[in-house]
Amino acid sequence: DAMVIQNPRYQVTQFGKPVTLSCSQTLNHNVMYWYQQKSSQAPKLLFHYYDKDFNNEADTPDNFQSRRPNTSFCFLDIRSPGLGDAAMYLCATSRDLGGTGELFFGEGSRLTVL
Amino acid sequence: QQQVKQSPQSLIVQKGGISIINCAYENTAFDYFPWYQQFPGKGPALLIAIRPDVSEKKEGRFTISFNKSAKQFSLHIMDSQPGDSATYFCAASGGNFNKFYFGSGTKLNVKP
Repeated sequence: DAMVIQNPRYQVTQFGKPVTLSCSQTLNHNVMYWYQQKSSQAPKLLFHYYDKDFNNEADTPDNFQSRRPNTSFCFLDIRSPGLGDAAMYLCATSRDLGGTGELFFGEGSRLTVL
Repeated sequence: QQQVKQSPQSLIVQKGGISIINCAYENTAFDYFPWYQQFPGKGPALLIAIRPDVSEKKEGRFTISFNKSAKQFSLHIMDSQPGDSATYFCAASGGNFNKFYFGSGTKLNVKP
């Protein structure tokens, strides 16, 4: 059974049209992460939540926002997608911070920007 | 500064051969070193992980070798199979770091 579920799997949007990607988890993990992965590249961390505490990476553009209304759900909002934001967006969870435990990834949401 | 360097970028191995992927890390505070396997269109999945208190960890055909003094670790896939064809990422974390640092990935192609 899938433990980290991302929707939609594929999203097509127009340049500048806001997009929301969702992630839900059944693991009851404290930490939820959003990564951006472009073709043939490593996942790049955008931000993470430890419980309700939000932590933004220094180089994450303001165009990217996130919400975590409860333990199970986390959303990635892209306010004005540009062509350079076309990528796979990966949600991941871990039990705690410190990077000492396994990261569980979802299947990803592939974003296309026209 | 790139915290984790991975090589090679791509690798072609014949079925039954040994695949070897290498990673080097910068920060001695790291204490958790996982390898992730990613198939096209899927999210990465944990394959095997090691902590620096051991020099080797084996799970089936997959082995991590760890050299603390050299700050290097490697993934060995024995008897490589076409089903192992995927992209492999090494990573490092732990200490005061609240995130994982990923290597740039190795695309493995195992030819039948």
